[in-house]
Amino acid sequence: GQQLNQSPQSMFIQEGEDVSMNCTSSSIFNTWLWYKQDPGEGPVLLIALYKAGELTSNGRLTAQFGITRKDSFLNISASIPSDVGIYFCAGPDNYGQNFVFGPGTRLSVLP
Amino acid sequence: DAGITQSPRHKVTETGTPVTLRCHQTENHRYMYWYRQDPGHGLRLIHYSYGVKDTDKGEVSDGYSVSRSKTEDFLLTLESATSSQTSVYFCAISRQGRNEKLFFGSGTQLSVL
Repeated sequence: GQQLNQSPQSMFIQEGEDVSMNCTSSSIFNTWLWYKQDPGEGPVLLIALYKAGELTSNGRLTAQFGITRKDSFLNISASIPSDVGIYFCAGPDNYGQNFVFGPGTRLSVLP
Repeated sequence: DAGITQSPRHKVTETGTPVTLRCHQTENHRYMYWYRQDPGHGLRLIHYSYGVKDTDKGEVSDGYSVSRSKTEDFLLTLESATSSQTSVYFCAISRQGRNEKLFFGSGTQLSVL
């Protein structure tokens, strides 16, 4: 079945640094969704991408829909402590009404 | 706030007892989903609904049933809870289905002892 891979699995950065993470697949996706999950809470949608090459920002977050439609990237600029959490990518599967989720990138921000 | 309320937020129960989790939405979205999240497995789909009384199974549906008698409510029932069903359960909604944004509730932490 379709799978999404995320890298890195985890990262430790200093407050104020920029962060880059990506999501890749061996199959094509028509939509990319990026989520952040805080401990004890549900995933919160950050950015949705619908077109190859699309670049979308949400505050300090910027995400891109890869040209090949097999990858997507999320960048966070000038990280702050509240950016700590797990970031998931997701996309619709090709077989039914479900979504495929990546395993997540765990971000830690050091003061 | 995506207008999704899950109840209860936490529940502890014993093996063999029935458990019902409720998801309520105020968005009038057509699609509703139940996921479970476990370490090492990520988010896995249990059941979903594409309309009132229209439901279908996901990848981990064994031991679970669902019902949707109203657009706004989607119930997940564990007929006879087992320890393997200890998990965090998330409800999610989508306006048009798989090519639309998916919004999650805050989750229910269920412990089966």
